[in-house]
Amino acid sequence: IVMTQSPATLSVSPGERATLSCRASQNVNYNLAWYQQKPGQAPRLLISGASTRATGIPTRFSGSGSGTEFTLTISSLQSEDLAVYYCQQYSDWPLYTFGQGTKLEIK
Amino acid sequence: EVQMVQSGAEVKKPGESLKISCGGSGYSFSRHWIAWVRQLPGKGLEWMGVIYPGDSDTTYSPSFQGQVTISADKSISTAYLQWSSLKASDSALYYCARLSVRGDPPEDWGQGTLVTVSS
Repeated sequence: IVMTQSPATLSVSPGERATLSCRASQNVNYNLAWYQQKPGQAPRLLISGASTRATGIPTRFSGSGSGTEFTLTISSLQSEDLAVYYCQQYSDWPLYTFGQGTKLEIK
Repeated sequence: EVQMVQSGAEVKKPGESLKISCGGSGYSFSRHWIAWVRQLPGKGLEWMGVIYPGDSDTTYSPSFQGQVTISADKSISTAYLQWSSLKASDSALYYCARLSVRGDPPEDWGQGTLVTVSS
């Protein structure tokens, strides 16, 4: 299953909303996760089940979608949200696949 | 607290062999799948494969089949990723990650092991 993320780079001002998209080449139902990777750090799970925040993830992060179209929304961007965000399908066990990532820049 | 701790950075020459490790603690190591993920310099994440330490059941993503070997020693709560003959193109950051449940995304990640292959 091929995962395609858009845009490749997104520049958003602090306090504004950021919307990141992820598309699957075939139906993955709700088996979609989002990860945040800050510079020099390991990825961190943000969202699983397309919309369920992982433990300790701030409520400004939300996920939506099902099937082949998914969205990660950061409602009010903070400076510490500078990172690359990856979606991952886990519908096809155990051959999970990642999107190519969206780099989120702070204006 | 679950912790995944990986071995340190490695610098190797082309053709050499290498085995890097990933130790799990704070949970029942043999009961949770572990995945390996590659990140080429400046690039995205690539799913390499998974292993179930309880019985060493292993599956590789097609791109990595035959290129690496994933193994585990449940007696010492450690998983491994190894190469028999490294290439310059194997230079990357490698992560291990624990899956809480089979069929779920990995939640707990190691800090990464940087492998540099250069003559």
